[in-house]
Amino acid sequence: DAVMTQSPLSLPVTLGQPASISCRSSQSLVHSDGNTYLSWFQQRPGQSPRRLFYKVSNRDSGVPDRFSGSGSGTDFTLKISRVEAEDVAIYYCMQVTHWPHTFGPGTKVDIK
Amino acid sequence: EVQLVESGGGLVQPGGSLRLSCAASGFTFSDYWISWIRLSPGKGLEWVAHINQDGSDKYYVDSVKGRFTVSRDNAKSSLFLQMNSLRAEDTAVYYCARLIRSAANSAHWGQGTLVTVSS
Repeated sequence: DAVMTQSPLSLPVTLGQPASISCRSSQSLVHSDGNTYLSWFQQRPGQSPRRLFYKVSNRDSGVPDRFSGSGSGTDFTLKISRVEAEDVAIYYCMQVTHWPHTFGPGTKVDIK
Repeated sequence: EVQLVESGGGLVQPGGSLRLSCAASGFTFSDYWISWIRLSPGKGLEWVAHINQDGSDKYYVDSVKGRFTVSRDNAKSSLFLQMNSLRAEDTAVYYCARLIRSAANSAHWGQGTLVTVSS
């Protein structure tokens, strides 16, 4: 299985400051079709997960441009350029290149 | 608008069974793979099962193989998860999800249904 790890697991951030979350896979997420199927999800308290990015850096509609996704192969990053109060959530990376599809453990972002 | 509505969760004793349902609307159900994904306090998010458009192809995470069965009724736009021999570690919120990995705005989740396995 592709084991996904994230760091840090807890990220207290000052409003208006940047935040960065790392996601690493135990194996390459490059699919035989050439695509890298790494997504990022945001789960706010009491809500279902919401996808922010698919295929590493493709933003879903409605996702503020202060969020960005990057990376390749086994190393990926989610960045928030300036954290806002509504960004308090748990963030998960997920790979759907290999079965079983697997998630990272989640990074809890809250305000200092 | 794509909607997925789960039902059937509840409290069950270890070794017991439950059947979860997911009612879909707002899209042509029979055109898509659909998944069950769970969220538990101890393990985070875990992809449980995945079924193709006509139900002929199914995938399960190792921890539920032989105990859980995913199925669908395309005529009723419904997805099911039959859960047998339940264990405490199956306690979680179970989500029905349609997640298309390569298209924008194509990740949809239900609101989830809570399954608690406890004596």
